[in-house]
Amino acid sequence: DAMVIQNPRYQVTQFGKPVTLSCSQTLNHNVMYWYQQKSSQAPKLLFHYYDKDFNNEADTPDNFQSRRPNTSFCFLDIRSPGLGDAAMYLCATRIGKGNQPQHFGDGTRLSIL
Amino acid sequence: QQPVQSPQAVILREGEDAVINCSSSKALYSVHWYRQKHGEAPIFLMILLKGGEQKGHDKISASFNEKKQQSSLYLTASQLSYSGTYFCGTEDFGNEKLTFGTGTRLTIIP
Repeated sequence: DAMVIQNPRYQVTQFGKPVTLSCSQTLNHNVMYWYQQKSSQAPKLLFHYYDKDFNNEADTPDNFQSRRPNTSFCFLDIRSPGLGDAAMYLCATRIGKGNQPQHFGDGTRLSIL
Repeated sequence: QQPVQSPQAVILREGEDAVINCSSSKALYSVHWYRQKHGEAPIFLMILLKGGEQKGHDKISASFNEKKQQSSLYLTASQLSYSGTYFCGTEDFGNEKLTFGTGTRLTIIP
């Protein structure tokens, strides 16, 4: 029944070793978001896609990139993870226009060794 | 600019009421409310769009003031399941992005 699915739930990588997090959705929503959430903080938007249009937040580090090969899938690539990138990464989807809520996946908790 | 929530944290006994406030320095297009339990995804509660609007379901309701700069979430006769961190999310007109508030951690004890 899960509609926004993130894999893996837990990811451990080494300092500087590239890592990719994935998100898929069965809702056919045209907007997809990636958030970073650190302990006891609010989710912070990294970027979002409106259809194929990519929107990067001004303060998202260059180390973070994203791909959306089709409506259903979206990937977050961290090219050279640093210790400060350890966090929960949340994917969310939404129907664009019409004042709709965002639907979140369960997140991927990333640890850096 | 991140909306400010108050209080930062509150502890209630089961059955007590709570009010959580979300304030912005500018008028908003809409405000969303979410609840997040530890280690889980945020769960959508409700959206408010119009100044002066009030809406709710079961024992959770919310309001949006006339100037659309403040929203309050009301939890009545709180249940243990209401525990979690509550976030407001604010949206500017024509923008598909939410900016989440500072969060309010609610703990309900038996």
